Amino acid sequence: GQQVMQIPQYQHVQEGEDFTTYCNSSTTLSNIQWYKQRPGGHPVFLIQLVKSGEVKKQKRLTFQFGEAKKNSSLHITATQTTDVGTYFCAVISNFGNEKLTFGTGTRLTIIP
Amino acid sequence: EPEVTQTPSHQVTQMGQEVILRCVPISNHLYFYWYRQILGQKVEFLVSFYNNEISEKSEIFDDQFSVERPDGSNFTLKIRSTKLEDSAMYFCASSDGRRQPQHFGDGTRLSIL
Repeated sequence: GQQVMQIPQYQHVQEGEDFTTYCNSSTTLSNIQWYKQRPGGHPVFLIQLVKSGEVKKQKRLTFQFGEAKKNSSLHITATQTTDVGTYFCAVISNFGNEKLTFGTGTRLTIIP
Repeated sequence: EPEVTQTPSHQVTQMGQEVILRCVPISNHLYFYWYRQILGQKVEFLVSFYNNEISEKSEIFDDQFSVERPDGSNFTLKIRSTKLEDSAMYFCASSDGRRQPQHFGDGTRLSIL
């Protein structure tokens, strides 16, 4: 089955520092989605990237899709305590179905 | 904003018993999913459902699992004879089209004793 790896697994940052998580696939992706899961919560959709080299911004969050469409990154500038949670990338199968394969996730904790 | 609702929030069941987890997807959505998440691990796909039939299922979704859309609003996951390893958080999700964002419910925490 499709494997999607994320690094790092955990990240502890001082409030105000930046944070980046990376998502890698061995196969070319048709698109990639990013979700955030707060502690004890459910995944919440953040964004979808479709085009090679695409960059999208949401306030302090910057999402990038690699040129080869095999990797993606999420960068948070000047983290706040509300950014705490686990960030998952997720990919949709290339074969027409709607199954989401989630990455291994990066758990972000903020030191106030 | 419309949301996916799941009941119950927590289910405790003896091993070997049947459980039914219930979900009400967002009303105009056409694609429905079940995922599970073992504590501290990633979210794993179980099954997708479209046009009143299963469109895809994972290796986890064996003969003990079934899904149903008994009426126009509910979407259920049944586990016929639960095992200890079925203990997990089960999330229902729905989307309004292909390759669209999936909206997740708050989940049902299933504990098998």
